[in-house]
Amino acid sequence: SYVLTQPPSVSVAPGKTARITCEGNNIGSKSVHWYQQKPGQAPVVVIYYDSDRPSGIPERFSGSNSGNTATLTISRVEVGDEADYYCQVWDSSGDHWVFGGGTKLTVL
Amino acid sequence: EVQLVESGGGLVQPGGSLRLSCAASGFTFSNCAMSWVRQAPGKGLQWVSTIIGSGGGTYYADSVKGRFTISRDNSKNTLYLQMNSLRAEDTAVYYCAKSTVHFFDSSAYCDSWGQGTLVTVSS
Repeated sequence: SYVLTQPPSVSVAPGKTARITCEGNNIGSKSVHWYQQKPGQAPVVVIYYDSDRPSGIPERFSGSNSGNTATLTISRVEVGDEADYYCQVWDSSGDHWVFGGGTKLTVL
Repeated sequence: EVQLVESGGGLVQPGGSLRLSCAASGFTFSNCAMSWVRQAPGKGLQWVSTIIGSGGGTYYADSVKGRFTISRDNSKNTLYLQMNSLRAEDTAVYYCAKSTVHFFDSSAYCDSWGQGTLVTVSS
């Protein structure tokens, strides 16, 4: 089955840029979606189809996908961006959704 | 405004059964595939099951196949998850999630989530 690998944690200072990676075999050929989950809350999509941003999500959130790595980039990080972030793809080999293990973003 | 409200969670013994419900409003329910995604305590998200908008196609994670059954009643705008032969490892918050499309394919993703219902499997 398809596996998505994310770093368990990423730390960044306020105002800096955070990059969260999601690795998978030839992930560049798939559409990647990113979800933000704050403690005690349901997930919220922040990036879909690799790089599209839903209405209401700040322009500071962006995404890219190529080769074996998809990346969620958060510019000018704020304390309010502290959350767990998950990548997701559709695995056509088994008609499954696959989530990455999640990355905890800490704003120092 | 899209609203998804889960119910039916609770404490159940190993081997027992439980049925979850998700009441949907604010969108054309029959146009959208719906999914259940769970999260064990302190763990990440795990996809459980998806049903297409018409109800004519269902999909399951290997870990629940043969034990869980997803269904929907488009006349009541309600999604269900019948869970049988429950195990300790099924303990999790179960989220109902709305997809952006009718079918379950590479274009689908979750654009709205409920607040979840906790299922605890323990003796």
